[in-house]
Amino acid sequence: GEDVEQSLFLSVREGDSSVINCTYTDSSSTYLYWYKQEPGAGLQLLTYIFSNMDMKQDQRLTVLLNKKDKHLSLRIADTQTGDSAIYFCAERPYSSASKIIFGSGTRLSIRP
Amino acid sequence: NAGVTQTPKFRILKIGQSMTLQCTQDMNHNYMYWYRQDPGMGLKLIYYSVGAGITDKGEVPNGYNVSRSTTEDFPLRLELAAPSQTSVYFCASIPRTSYNEQFFGPGTRLTVL
Repeated sequence: GEDVEQSLFLSVREGDSSVINCTYTDSSSTYLYWYKQEPGAGLQLLTYIFSNMDMKQDQRLTVLLNKKDKHLSLRIADTQTGDSAIYFCAERPYSSASKIIFGSGTRLSIRP
Repeated sequence: NAGVTQTPKFRILKIGQSMTLQCTQDMNHNYMYWYRQDPGMGLKLIYYSVGAGITDKGEVPNGYNVSRSTTEDFPLRLELAAPSQTSVYFCASIPRTSYNEQFFGPGTRLTVL
């Protein structure tokens, strides 16, 4: 089946790196995504990675994909207060290419 | 472009009432989606559409109906509201040309009492 799991909370100190982890079950997933949701807003696509890649970097964001372990992570370097949000991991299964399956989200809070 | 717009922003319904959540996108996107987000949970897909005249069920379609008579509009209908439908509803769209970029509306917060 298709399932995406994430831990619910993460707290980091401002300026440190944040690492948000995600596991998924569908080994045929074609694309994996990270979305950000700020309070009272819809989801915003942060970045995505194709399943034949193992790393993607975009400014402060680094995505790592371990296909063998079905593990995806998002690293935010130099975490700022504006990074406080809920981060959702999502996958696009090969079997249902029109659909995206979301995890429950990780709430990132920043300590001064 | 206004992007994906949803109305209303908030609504309180009594059990058994009906309502339609409106969703419109002005980007000529083919794919449109309705999700619900329960507190502390991820998004669950209710219905989706790959183009005008075509709709399909998602993970949690019971209690809802949709139609897609135009490319722009994808309304979600609740016929007999139940407390279990209290949630935040998000509409989203994807263009055929940028398959990986899903655009979300701001959401409709619905409470059923």
